[in-house]
Amino acid sequence: EVQLVESGGGLVQPGRSLRLSCAASGFTFDDYSMHWVRQAPGKGLEWVSGISWNSDYIGNADSVKGRFTISRDNAKNSLYLQMNSLRAEDTALYYCAKDRDSKDNAFDIWGQGTMVTVSS
Amino acid sequence: DIQMTQSPSTLSTSVGDRVTITCRASQSISNWLAWYQQKPGKAPNLLIYKASSLESGVPSRFSGSGSGTEFTLTISSLQPDDFATYYCQHYNSFPFTFGPGTKVDI
Repeated sequence: EVQLVESGGGLVQPGRSLRLSCAASGFTFDDYSMHWVRQAPGKGLEWVSGISWNSDYIGNADSVKGRFTISRDNAKNSLYLQMNSLRAEDTALYYCAKDRDSKDNAFDIWGQGTMVTVSS
Repeated sequence: DIQMTQSPSTLSTSVGDRVTITCRASQSISNWLAWYQQKPGKAPNLLIYKASSLESGVPSRFSGSGSGTEFTLTISSLQPDDFATYYCQHYNSFPFTFGPGTKVDI
């Protein structure tokens, strides 16, 4: 079964850091680009960051540039999001998602999400 | 960056209705557009990719059309399971962007 499982969320104070992980299974991880998408409570979806299969191409939303870093370890079938200088507006449910295939970047598989709450 | 808009923001409908949701991009994205359905407390589910291709397992009452800057998601006959929020998303180039969503309710 194709599966993505996020972890690492929690309550953190403003200005602190947090690292999210996404464990992939059931597919050949290093064939696909991967992404992080977040959803603040009661709000819409926001694409956060994406990374190509070989980490050559990385993109970030303007809202997280300079603070968040996406990475992957293909040997461990894992995706990461290092979040620094966290702000209250980063409070959200964070999903990881995979590309549909090597030529189509629509997100066909999503994890269940991990909640990040930034508050003092 | 490419901005996405959707209309309407809310749609009050009934079972059996034909539903149309419009999504517009601030510049041409060719056909690099996806539609997702999200129900409360659940992750989004891919319905349509490349503007008009139906994802495997998605009922045929869902269809997508458009190219360039204007796109449409149509549900031909709304079923009880279709009451949800629908998002469009471009994936023409980084940064990918979602539309603000359309809530379909009774």
